[in-house]
Amino acid sequence: QKEVEQNSGPLSVPEGAIASLNCTYSDRGSQSFFWYRQYSGKSPELIMFIYSNGDKEDGRFTAQLNKASQYVSLLIRDSQPSDSATYLCAVIPSSGTYKYIFGTGTRLKVLA
Amino acid sequence: DAGVTQSPTHLIKTRGQHVTLRCSPISGHKSVSWYQQVLGQGPQFIFQYYEKEERGRGNFPDRFSARQFPNYSSELNVNALLLGDSALYLCASSTSPTRDSTYNEQFFGPGTRLTVL
Repeated sequence: QKEVEQNSGPLSVPEGAIASLNCTYSDRGSQSFFWYRQYSGKSPELIMFIYSNGDKEDGRFTAQLNKASQYVSLLIRDSQPSDSATYLCAVIPSSGTYKYIFGTGTRLKVLA
Repeated sequence: DAGVTQSPTHLIKTRGQHVTLRCSPISGHKSVSWYQQVLGQGPQFIFQYYEKEERGRGNFPDRFSARQFPNYSSELNVNALLLGDSALYLCASSTSPTRDSTYNEQFFGPGTRLTVL
């Protein structure tokens, strides 16, 4: 079982729709969760972070965390073609290590 | 304020050579982490440094080494390059080591694209 799993996609949504990106993690004690956006050929850009169960909203983005089910999701409302990118989920595990563990990313395509 | 900077942007080397990649963190950030990202994969953790000390090491061979300087900038060195070392090397900075704070975000530089021929 991979430590952080994401569907590689591509996930295609029409412009203006809600895009839903999901991530599951294996370490039940993980405390910190991050979503990064990465355009092709560029470096990851931090979108949101979440530490507590529930929802966290920032503009068109909502992160949802369910520790009991060990998943974290990212919703993008009113999707725009400029949102087309790979979305990376990152987790800080509970083992006291100093690293982020990334999933392989989900490629999102927003169709105009 | 400037973000994380990395140099060089691109690099082409041949097998067996040595490479040094450089990173300057965001002003005020004392922790630097290095990641390797191969095409189609998420970044893989290589090292983390804080206050010039190594705070974490990923599952990479001893050919990979790093250090952090008093001004918090950092170098990643890779010896005896292999074809499989071709990747985007990312530097990320944060205010403190991940372990010391739950509320800790890492910000990435633009990366160095290394091609090994």
